[in-house]
Amino acid sequence: AQSVTQLGSHVSVSEGALVLLRCNYSSSVPPYLFWYVQYPNQGLQLLLKYTSAATLVKGINGFEAEFKKSETSFHLTKPSAHMSDAAEYFCAVSSKAAGNKLTFGGGTRVLVKP
Amino acid sequence: EPEVTQTPSHQVTQMGQEVILRCVPISNHLYFYWYRQILGQKVEFLVSFYNNEISEKSEIFDDQFSVERPDGSNFTLKIRSTKLEDSAMYFCASRSGRGDTQYFGPGTRLTVL
Repeated sequence: AQSVTQLGSHVSVSEGALVLLRCNYSSSVPPYLFWYVQYPNQGLQLLLKYTSAATLVKGINGFEAEFKKSETSFHLTKPSAHMSDAAEYFCAVSSKAAGNKLTFGGGTRVLVKP
Repeated sequence: EPEVTQTPSHQVTQMGQEVILRCVPISNHLYFYWYRQILGQKVEFLVSFYNNEISEKSEIFDDQFSVERPDGSNFTLKIRSTKLEDSAMYFCASRSGRGDTQYFGPGTRLTVL
């Protein structure tokens, strides 16, 4: 079984400030981990993924995430928030054993204040 | 860059009616998925499809739901008799045979009245 918990359904940051979105996962087998972003009225866009290579993963738009097995975490960060980062962010887990189906967290909505 | 497309973008239907949601996955992909997102809730897995058959389905995917790949390009989700609680955004996704990443379409917003 696999599951994802995202701490904080809403996060508010000031423009230029650090963005930190927390994701913890549970998986009985080595996981694949993903962050997707959903802009208003749009679909899910892949930000970055971890699939057993480097534990620090860089994605699009300046985001990165670090896989920490000991903490079962895959937190997403961006050093300096832009107004365009306002969106909902979803962490997801899958695995080959689970047929690569994605199990999503509840999402974190990011508000960026000028 | 290739992308997954879905039609229609919005569908409004009466309770009890049949709806078909259409998806065109990325052309060389082999694995296809449907997910749904009820307003304000998590994105949930519905079904996966490979080699012209269902690989896995969730408990949500009951007898009212079916999927089909009628030709070499389309992948459809049919709901035979819609219920109010089927109102949601439905996302199609596809994955290549070698990759581990699913690419999502823009979604179809289904409203059941």
